[in-house]
Amino acid sequence: EVQLVESGGGLVQPGGSLRLSCTASGFSFTCCWMTWVRQAPGKGLEWVAHISQDGRSTYYVDSVKGRFTISRDNAKNSLFLQMDSLRAEDTSVYYCVKYLSRALDYWGQGTLVTVSS
Amino acid sequence: DTVVTQTPLSLSVTPGQPASISCKSSQSLLDSDGRTYLSWYLQKPGQSPHLLIYEVSSRFSGVPDRFLGSGSGTDFTLQISRVEAEDVGVYFCMQATYLPFTFGQGTRLEIK
Repeated sequence: EVQLVESGGGLVQPGGSLRLSCTASGFSFTCCWMTWVRQAPGKGLEWVAHISQDGRSTYYVDSVKGRFTISRDNAKNSLFLQMDSLRAEDTSVYYCVKYLSRALDYWGQGTLVTVSS
Repeated sequence: DTVVTQTPLSLSVTPGQPASISCKSSQSLLDSDGRTYLSWYLQKPGQSPHLLIYEVSSRFSGVPDRFLGSGSGTDFTLQISRVEAEDVGVYFCMQATYLPFTFGQGTRLEIK
């Protein structure tokens, strides 16, 4: 059974940093690109970033470029999202998502990030 | 960015009746590799989204055959042949032909 478990969310002040982690199991982690998707409270979905199997290729939505960094540790079946210079508009539930054939086939339960003073 | 527009934003359906959701993109989603990367997701209340349909019309593992995806180019449709109570939630389409990948606003399905 594929499982994706996020951690690291919480309350942070504007301008602060947070590092999200996702631990994967139930599939060969190195098979797949991995993705972060976020959802502001009561709102729709926004694709944030994704990373290739070997970690060498990364892509970001413009609103987080230069502030967020996606990375992975294949030895530990883990995906990360380093979030710096956080803004109020980054407040969202962040989902770790497995990516296959340009679809998002398995989603974690999400971790809530709240940016507020 | 590619804009994806869903309609309607909400619908109320009697169990056993069909439902249809439209998803229109601001440019053709036909990729240079010949594939069209349009997928559909359902987010049930209090849950994470899950994949229903990928590449326009391919049902994901375990998805009931009452869910049918169709379309091409810029116009796509998700049809539910006979709505059941468990189908309530918000449906999203997503295009993955162009970066950044973009989602529709979501369509809330409720049961009458």
